[in-house]
Amino acid sequence: NAGVTQTPKFQVLKTGQSMTLQCAQDMNHNSMYWYRQDPGMGLRLIYYSASEGTTDKGEVPNGYNVSRLNKREFSLRLESAAPSQTSVYFCASMAASNEKLFFGSGTQLSVL
Amino acid sequence: GQQVMQIPQYQHVQEGEDFTTYCNSSTTLSNIQWYKQRPGGHPVFLIQLVKSGEVKKQKRLTFQFGEAKKNSSLHITATQTTDVGTYFCAKSGTYKYIFGTGTRLKVLA
Repeated sequence: NAGVTQTPKFQVLKTGQSMTLQCAQDMNHNSMYWYRQDPGMGLRLIYYSASEGTTDKGEVPNGYNVSRLNKREFSLRLESAAPSQTSVYFCASMAASNEKLFFGSGTQLSVL
Repeated sequence: GQQVMQIPQYQHVQEGEDFTTYCNSSTTLSNIQWYKQRPGGHPVFLIQLVKSGEVKKQKRLTFQFGEAKKNSSLHITATQTTDVGTYFCAKSGTYKYIFGTGTRLKVLA
């Protein structure tokens, strides 16, 4: 049982480039999340999808877009990467409201 | 910005000493969760507290939820090197989970 799978694990971009971070879960969870983690800032919520077909902004949505492709997959897109988006990105999923989050292993992104 | 404050930001302890991290919110929480992230790893769920004044234990870990449901604490008794990592609290509002800034624990053998 893979759980939550994120690709790629590492990525280096130049300023202005675009890319999509992929996330898939095989636990039949309804809700999915994207967080970024920066030193001293904890985990900050970028976007979330409470259920298939819905997406909502989190704490720091600017510069990002998301797509809930189906129940399994939730992608995060950077249209024009900026150095401020250098971070570790975590995808997470949850079966139902007020249950626990399951996290993927993260994507380390550097924007030069 | 962060709606959940955690203190301290860092804590170094000698192996065998106790450790406590505190989580404070300006608003009443419906529930609170705690996660542990090992160095280089991803956050892993530890526990959820729901009731006012609730206390839960997991071996050497004791979790408390304040009477006013505005604060919570995690206490580790007699730390071990395996306790190293960052501990996060998280407040949940229906589907929106907001994390605290975390407390990084280092245990010196």
